[in-house]
Amino acid sequence: DGGITQSPKYLFRKEGQNVTLSCEQNLNHDAMYWYRQDPGQGLRLIYYSQIVNDFQKGDIAEGYSVSREKKESFPLTVTSAQKNPTAFYLCASEQGAQTGELFFGEGSRLTVL
Amino acid sequence: AQSVAQPEDQVNVAEGNPLTVKCTYSVSGNPYLFWYVQYPNRGLQFLLKYITGDNLVKGSYGFEAEFNKSQTSFHLKKPSALVSDSALYFCAVRDGGNNDMRFGAGTRLTVKP
Repeated sequence: DGGITQSPKYLFRKEGQNVTLSCEQNLNHDAMYWYRQDPGQGLRLIYYSQIVNDFQKGDIAEGYSVSREKKESFPLTVTSAQKNPTAFYLCASEQGAQTGELFFGEGSRLTVL
Repeated sequence: AQSVAQPEDQVNVAEGNPLTVKCTYSVSGNPYLFWYVQYPNRGLQFLLKYITGDNLVKGSYGFEAEFNKSQTSFHLKKPSALVSDSALYFCAVRDGGNNDMRFGAGTRLTVKP
């Protein structure tokens, strides 16, 4: 079945540690996105990528990094520079042309201890 | 930049009654409008979208939304609510065909038996 897979589903991290969240899609979609969800704030865009080897910052990119070496994969690294990393992280993909029909993964919940 | 507002944090309706979840938007160009639904600890699922054409858009699970340009609104509606409709609903907007999709803060819908 086609879809987006995020891993891990739950992750605990100590302060000062970097952590990488995985996002893989087998939908052959061109565009991929990372959002952060906090209670009462909706979704905020961290990074997005329209094509392989290219990505752009969203509203809250500070303290995060991404790569897009393969069409299927768009990993997000939460660095120690991110001051408040505890959140629910959602990855999404879209088949080009800004159709708006984003396909979301099940999310990764990161907790910093 | 485009933005979207969902004025109600919570909407409560009785099963069988009609429901409305409100959304207003702000864009400088042509609005592309979307509704998504999120169940607990899950990713978002696409419900419907307005790009152009008929102001009344029909989507999944019996939901529909009406685009009102003069009021800059895109309210989500359903004639008869089900308990299983209880979830978190997000309105989203794009300014024309750009890549940056902005989400509202979400409205929690509770349908009581």
